[in-house]
Amino acid sequence: AQKVTQAQTEISVVEKEDVTLDCVYETRDTTYYLFWYKQPPSGELVFLIRRNSFDEQNEISGRYSWNFQKSTSSFNFTITASQVVDSAVYFCALSEAGYGGATNKLIFGTGTLLAVQP
Amino acid sequence: EPEVTQTPSHQVTQMGQEVILRCVPISNHLYFYWYRQILGQKVEFLVSFYNNEISEKSEIFDDQFSVERPDGSNFTLKIRSTKLEDSAMYFCASRRGAGGSLANEQFFGPGTRLTVL
Repeated sequence: AQKVTQAQTEISVVEKEDVTLDCVYETRDTTYYLFWYKQPPSGELVFLIRRNSFDEQNEISGRYSWNFQKSTSSFNFTITASQVVDSAVYFCALSEAGYGGATNKLIFGTGTLLAVQP
Repeated sequence: EPEVTQTPSHQVTQMGQEVILRCVPISNHLYFYWYRQILGQKVEFLVSFYNNEISEKSEIFDDQFSVERPDGSNFTLKIRSTKLEDSAMYFCASRRGAGGSLANEQFFGPGTRLTVL
């Protein structure tokens, strides 16, 4: 069965601190996709990144970086020099590859509430 | 940039009433989804829809729920007789499918907040 675990329920940091949000996943599929979404207080889901299971290269986008480790089934997200605008709930999600009848539904973790204090 | 739209943004209804939540997916997308998020909880998959039929549904998606793509552009979620526990944010999403770098990315609408009194 597919499962996504975000053990950190809530993290509070002071502006300019670096923060890492953890994500651990379980799947029996050999090909799958991992995602991070941001949900600000306004409620919409903002797509941040998608990673394919066969591409373990880490990625950096501005202050955001992602560390994908297949050996530990983890896909962690780091925000460097956090800002107040980063305050939101962050969800990690997993989907299967989408062939053989699979529907690519997203399985979400429970989310991590990040509060960045000025 | 094309986006998924949902109406209404907020719906208040009385328990036992029927509600229809509307979504307009991105026009060249082939796969459509509804998700639900009870306040303060995680986002949960409800149903996926492809080629004018349900391709998968979760345990949450019982006989009170139905989906339809009535006119080739709208994608609707109907709750036949709402219960208090149906109060949640409902997100629609669409995915292009086929090949290409964005084939497997789901684009989410802004959500409809449903409040059942």
